[in-house]
Amino acid sequence: DIQMTQSPSTLSASVGDRVTITCRASQSISSWLAWYQQKPGKAPKLLIYKASSLESGVPSRFSGSGSGTEFTLTISSLQPDDFATYYCQQYAPVGGLTFGGGTKVEIK
Amino acid sequence: QITLKESGPTLVKPTQTLTLTCTFSGFSLSTSGVGVGWIRQPPGKALEWLALIYWDDDKRYSPSLKSRLTITKDTSKNQVVLTMTNMDPVDTATYYCALLAGAFDIWGQGTMVTVSS
Repeated sequence: DIQMTQSPSTLSASVGDRVTITCRASQSISSWLAWYQQKPGKAPKLLIYKASSLESGVPSRFSGSGSGTEFTLTISSLQPDDFATYYCQQYAPVGGLTFGGGTKVEIK
Repeated sequence: QITLKESGPTLVKPTQTLTLTCTFSGFSLSTSGVGVGWIRQPPGKALEWLALIYWDDDKRYSPSLKSRLTITKDTSKNQVVLTMTNMDPVDTATYYCALLAGAFDIWGQGTMVTVSS
């Protein structure tokens, strides 16, 4: 099965900062990667699918890039509403699905 | 509007079998490409994918939990059922179901299940 390694596990940043989160797959998953945002006590929310496609309604300050085994989620200018935990997830057509370990974005 | 809602017991005893139902509306599980999955999250920990069923009854399971899981669908009732056998306290978690139309596009609110004697 495909393993997903996310880094960092915790990130301290200030409002207005540019933030980058990395996700690495143990084998190539082409562009079958999604990013989710989760706030305490809430279900995850889809931000990015197919590595770089922005889900409808998600602010344009969120962007995704990468293919194969290396992926990034970038928040261009961190807003107060963005302090949350972020997860990557692979959904390659063959086999099962896997989530990364999560990245908590905290206020610096 | 697409919605999903999980239901089932909030407390189960060790060794018991857990049965969770996901009742959904706004889409059909007979539509090509559509799936419904189950994901869990222990308190303070990461998301863990459990199982997935597609419109054509193709089923996928987490390799680490495959022997304990069964996923089924009832298209006429708009429901997906997950059973997990031999429950243990480490299975205490919030269990989510979600619509898969690509990625997990829409999630239920989740249901907290505690395993304790």
